[in-house]
Amino acid sequence: KAGVTQTPRYLIKTRGQQVTLSCSPISGHRSVSWYQQTPGQGLQFLFEYFSETQRNKGNFPGRFSGRQFSNSRSEMNVSTLELGDSALYLCASSFDREAEAFFGQGTRLTVV
Amino acid sequence: GQSLEQPSEVTAVEGAIVQINCTYQTSGFYGLSWYQQHDGGAPTFLSYNALDGLEETGRFSSFLSRSDSYGYLLLQELQMKDSASYFCAGRYSSASKIIFGSGTRLSIRP
Repeated sequence: KAGVTQTPRYLIKTRGQQVTLSCSPISGHRSVSWYQQTPGQGLQFLFEYFSETQRNKGNFPGRFSGRQFSNSRSEMNVSTLELGDSALYLCASSFDREAEAFFGQGTRLTVV
Repeated sequence: GQSLEQPSEVTAVEGAIVQINCTYQTSGFYGLSWYQQHDGGAPTFLSYNALDGLEETGRFSSFLSRSDSYGYLLLQELQMKDSASYFCAGRYSSASKIIFGSGTRLSIRP
């Protein structure tokens, strides 16, 4: 079966702009989580959605937001981009609270 | 709080055994997972411990001690392809929130 798909794979944006990233989970999975990965900070939890509802949220500013659609596809949005937002953004899906989460290849965002 | 601590780097010899430790904060803790990530790749799931004890999956084993807030990943018969970053990850908040440690970079020498 198809894995977790994230689009786009690479993105370059200018400070102050906004960006939307997309994640299509494995078919049948209803939980989607988002992570920011940087060399210094590792994988930082952004938020988790289940059945179109945000179930958990990490410690990121309000510029970071997300949503989930009825088909479980999820988007995250970052407004007013800052240089420090440059990172690999990963999403992971699972049926619900299973031990194993499946990750996409990520979107590499560069803010210049 | 919800944070996990693990060593930043470990070096080992091909064919040997290596243990990567992880300590975690207990508030809302449900279980401990381990993930492997090769450079440029996505994290992939290795194992999960919800109860105390050892879980074995081929060359990899994982251990959890809830009383010590501690776990480890044991890799045996190391191969060069095992060179990667290894993350412990705690499940929190009714098991729907995964918090990752900062990762341990494993380097293997011939």
